Amino acid sequence: GAGVSQSPSNKVTEKGKDVELRCDPISGHTALYWYRQRLGQGLEFLIYFQGNSAPDKSGLPSDRFSAERTGESVSTLTIQRTQQEDSAVYLCASSLHRTSGLTETQYFGPGTRLLVL
Amino acid sequence: GESVGLHLPTLSVQEGDNSIINCAYSNSASDYFIWYKQESGKGPQFIIDIRSNMDKRQGQRVTVLLNKTVKHLSLQIAATQPGDSAVYFCAENIEGSQGNLIFGKGTKLSVKP
Repeated sequence: GAGVSQSPSNKVTEKGKDVELRCDPISGHTALYWYRQRLGQGLEFLIYFQGNSAPDKSGLPSDRFSAERTGESVSTLTIQRTQQEDSAVYLCASSLHRTSGLTETQYFGPGTRLLVL
Repeated sequence: GESVGLHLPTLSVQEGDNSIINCAYSNSASDYFIWYKQESGKGPQFIIDIRSNMDKRQGQRVTVLLNKTVKHLSLQIAATQPGDSAVYFCAENIEGSQGNLIFGKGTKLSVKP
C-alpha cells in the first residue's frame, strides 16, 4: 500500500514569504506528526494530531508556524513570514491510534526540503 | 542529494563485518525505543523497535539491545552490506507524552566494500 506522501518535495522561497507544506498520511492512520530536521541534525518534534482531539502544538518554535488537519486525512503545515533559519527538511509521519498506552510505530514520508533565501 | 551526515559521529566498517551503533537516552520514564535508518535525501525508514519490558529483540539481520540500568540502547547489524550505509537514529517515547518521538543526533554508518 501507499506510504506517507509529502508535497512539494522541494521549496525555495524568499525571506518574508509564506509557505504551505502538505502531508498525506497512510490510510487508516489516525495519528499524524510533523518534525523538522536541520542539516546534519536529528529530528525536532513540531506538532501532533490524534483523531478529533486538540492537537499537541508544544513543539512549534514560534507563532509563525501553524498546522491544520482535515479529519483523519491530509495535513498542512504553514510557515508565515519565513526566515532563513526556517530552512530545513520538514518531515511528516503517521501511525495507528495509540491504544492501551502503547506507542504505535511512526512511518515517515520523504520530507519537504525548504530553502529560504 | 542533501547529506544528512554532516558533523555526525561516524562508524566505518568493512563489508561483511558486524556493526554496533550505540545510543544513550536520558529519561528513565521512556517506555518505547525505535531505530530509524535515513539515507541521503530520504525520510527515516523504520528498522526495529523495542518496549521497556524487553531487553532484546531481533529482526532480519538486526538486533536491538536495551539496558535500562544504564539507559543504553544499541543496534547490531549482522553481515553489514554497502546498502546499509546511512545515518541511523535512535528515538524514545516517554510514557504519557502523547506519542511524539525524541530523537538522538544520529550516527553515520559507512560500509567499505
